[in-house]
Amino acid sequence: AQSVTQPDIHITVSEGASLELRCNYSYGATPYLFWYVQSPGQGLQLLLKYFSGDTLVQGIKGFEAEFKRSQSSFNLRKPSVHWSDAAEYFCAARSGAGSYQLTFGKGTKLSVIP
Amino acid sequence: IAGITQAPTSQILAAGRRMTLRCTQDMRHNAMYWYRQDLGLGLRLIHYSNTAGTTGKGEVPDGYSVSRANTDDFPLTLASAVPSQTSVYFCASRGASTDTQYFGPGTRLTVL
Repeated sequence: AQSVTQPDIHITVSEGASLELRCNYSYGATPYLFWYVQSPGQGLQLLLKYFSGDTLVQGIKGFEAEFKRSQSSFNLRKPSVHWSDAAEYFCAARSGAGSYQLTFGKGTKLSVIP
Repeated sequence: IAGITQAPTSQILAAGRRMTLRCTQDMRHNAMYWYRQDLGLGLRLIHYSNTAGTTGKGEVPDGYSVSRANTDDFPLTLASAVPSQTSVYFCASRGASTDTQYFGPGTRLTVL
């Protein structure tokens, strides 16, 4: 079955520190991959997406993600975290076979220490 | 531009009652989706609609129904609410030429 796994339920980092949120997928072929962010009490907002090509993709708010086929991973990174980055982050995927339905991971909650 | 609006913002409902959650988008997107978000489970797709007049079942459709009479509106109905339907419900839409789903602010539903 197709699935998206986010191994870390909760991560705490200090403001200014670097961040990496992990995402692994299990699909028959390379899926289309997404990262969404959900601020408290809000809906989800797309940070970035990967379909093909350059395996390092840039998104909004200074985030980037790297696709690694050998590891079935699509980890989200940010060099220097700001207090406003505290939120929940969701990795999502869909197959490239014409279906636009997304499968979401269970999310990683990010806390930022001032 | 409002994007996607959902109503109500929150609701407490007695078990067995009927409830319709409303979702309206002003982006003229063809596709619309309903998700529920539960702690530790992430978002799960309930129903979707690829275009007005068509609907489909997602991962967790039981106990829910939808309709898509026009492009803008995609209501979700709980015919007879049960406590396990306590959740936060998100509506989303997607344009024909994009993979990006745009989410509404959500409806927090409590079924007692």
